[in-house]
Amino acid sequence: QVQLVQSGAEVKRPGASVKVSCKTSGYTFVSHHMHWVRQAPGQRLEWMGIINPSDDTTTIAQRLRDRVTMTRDTSANTFYMELSSLRPDDTAVYYCTRDGGVYGDCEYWGQGTLVTVSS
Amino acid sequence: QSALTQPPSASGSPGQSVTISCTGTSSDIGGFNYVSWYQQHPGKAPKLVIYEVTQRPSGVPDRFSGSKSGYTASLTVSGLRADDEADYYCLSFAGRNIYVFGTGTRVTVL
Repeated sequence: QVQLVQSGAEVKRPGASVKVSCKTSGYTFVSHHMHWVRQAPGQRLEWMGIINPSDDTTTIAQRLRDRVTMTRDTSANTFYMELSSLRPDDTAVYYCTRDGGVYGDCEYWGQGTLVTVSS
Repeated sequence: QSALTQPPSASGSPGQSVTISCTGTSSDIGGFNYVSWYQQHPGKAPKLVIYEVTQRPSGVPDRFSGSKSGYTASLTVSGLRADDEADYYCLSFAGRNIYVFGTGTRVTVL
């Protein structure tokens, strides 16, 4: 069965960086794009970007483009999302979610990683 | 890319239907038939209930249905049950590998 298991909660100072991992299993790693989505406390879902694991190409939401890096390790079946220059309003639960191949049919989600940014 | 517009709240009694709208532009909903809908219970990850405007994933009951007209997509939940009470979000493809979520709608079962 398809599983996405994310890394644990993080607490960071403003200005620091955080790297969240998403380890996958149960399917062919390079066959499905992976989205990253975040949700600040009490707020809506925000689409952050997408990575194609077959060629490592990424598309990042414009407002995050200068601070987000998405990568993958095909040998470990793992995706990574790094967010730099953290601010308090980056405090959120970060999710990875697998695209099913029909442009946004995200049936499988990680459990979420809470990132707290506080001085 | 601005968020798609959804009503903040919707409600209905058990057994009734509720319809949630999701309004975008010609660059997203109006330009592509790739709208999906997600149900999110408090503290949980979202769950896909509709994709490609009208398609239901395996295991999602046919009480959930989707449609689209012009720049507006809609999700209808029929035969409301207590466990349908949740937040619902639309997601649209916007071209060039960009996606955008809606603002979210809280559905209350009265």
